[in-house]
Amino acid sequence: QVQLVQSGAEVKKPGASVKVSCKASGYTFTSYGISWVRQAPGQGLEWMGWISAYNGNTNYAQKLQGRVTMTTDTSTSTAYMELRSLRSDDTAVYYCARDDSGSYWDWGQGTLVTVSS
Amino acid sequence: QSVLTQPPSASGTPGQRVTISCSGSSSNIGSNYVYWYQQLPGTAPKLLIYRNNQRPSGVPDRFSGSKSGTSASLAISGLRSEDEADYYCAAWDDSLSAVVFGGGTKLTVL
Repeated sequence: QVQLVQSGAEVKKPGASVKVSCKASGYTFTSYGISWVRQAPGQGLEWMGWISAYNGNTNYAQKLQGRVTMTTDTSTSTAYMELRSLRSDDTAVYYCARDDSGSYWDWGQGTLVTVSS
Repeated sequence: QSVLTQPPSASGTPGQRVTISCSGSSSNIGSNYVYWYQQLPGTAPKLLIYRNNQRPSGVPDRFSGSKSGTSASLAISGLRSEDEADYYCAAWDDSLSAVVFGGGTKLTVL
């Protein structure tokens, strides 16, 4: 069965960077994209961007351009999302999802990133 | 302020039929597929409806999706207590070149 297993919770200071991993199994990694979605405490879902696991092409949300980088390692079927210059409003649960032409069939368990001084 | 507009809350009694609306524009719902996600408390979202009205295997046929113009709806019939969750609509937006979500609707089963 498809599984997306994310790295553990992180606590970061403002201005720091965080890198969240998402290890995929149960499907051919390079046949689908990975999208990242975050959810601030008590808030709704926010799309962060997408990466093709086939060729590494990316598409980032405009508000995160310049601060976010999404990468993949096909040798380990792992996707990564790095967010830099963290601010308090980046505090959220970050999810990865297997993206099949817009359908997010499977989701990781979520990674809580807390930004606090 | 979300690009797609959903009512913040909805409610119904067991066995009832409830509908959740999702309003957008010509650049998103009007020209692209709509997706619906269910998020139970403390868990990751789950795909409920894809491509406007398709149900993944395992999703009960009590759940149905529809789209008309720049609006979409999720209908839940035979409401059950385990349907109590947050529901989100989503679509690609051609103008923003981004996926946009609705603000979410909290469904309460009375």
